[in-house]
Amino acid sequence: AQSVTQLDSQVPVFEEAPVELRCNYSSSVSVYLFWYVQYPNQGLQLLLKYLSGSTLVESINGFEAEFNKSQTSFHLRKPSVHISDTAEYFCAVSDKAQKLVFGQGTRLTINP
Amino acid sequence: EAGVTQFPSHSVIEKGQTVTLRCDPISGHDNLYWYRRVMGKEIKFLLHFVKESKQDESGMPNNRFLAERTGGTYSTLKVQPAELEDSGVYFCASSQVGAGVRGEQFFGPGTRLTVL
Repeated sequence: AQSVTQLDSQVPVFEEAPVELRCNYSSSVSVYLFWYVQYPNQGLQLLLKYLSGSTLVESINGFEAEFNKSQTSFHLRKPSVHISDTAEYFCAVSDKAQKLVFGQGTRLTINP
Repeated sequence: EAGVTQFPSHSVIEKGQTVTLRCDPISGHDNLYWYRRVMGKEIKFLLHFVKESKQDESGMPNNRFLAERTGGTYSTLKVQPAELEDSGVYFCASSQVGAGVRGEQFFGPGTRLTVL
């Protein structure tokens, strides 16, 4: 069985500061890794994913995540956040069974 | 192109009543998934349709939940009778054939169900 742990339920940061949202997973098989984002009053959107190849993956809005197999982690980072990044972020894994297994979510709040 | 839509956006019902949630996937998406988030907890998988067939229903909590996808288009999730612990946000997602395993699931805005 797979599981995902997001260690921080809430992360407050100041605008233009860097941020890291932590994600650790547990699985006995190879997995695919994802970060989803839910902006206020919207559905979940895929932010970025790791399937294979380069362990560093990037999104179009400046986020990046690095797959670390030895530490079973997939932390999400952004060097400088903006007010518009305020959202809840979900780390998820899946295997070939297709269903996604999510972490508990991290609420990112940006203070001006 | 329209995204995944869900109806209603909110539903408030009494314990013991019946509620039916509807999901319209993106046109052409054969894969349809239901997930649920109980307040304060993680989003959990309920079941997966490929066209009209249930591929995986391992996450369905009990036999009070019935999901259907007649004709392989929209899907309904019925809760009968509803219990207090059924309260939460129910998400629907869809993906193209073969895309689901790569995580390219497109989510709807969710239906917030409150059972009083």
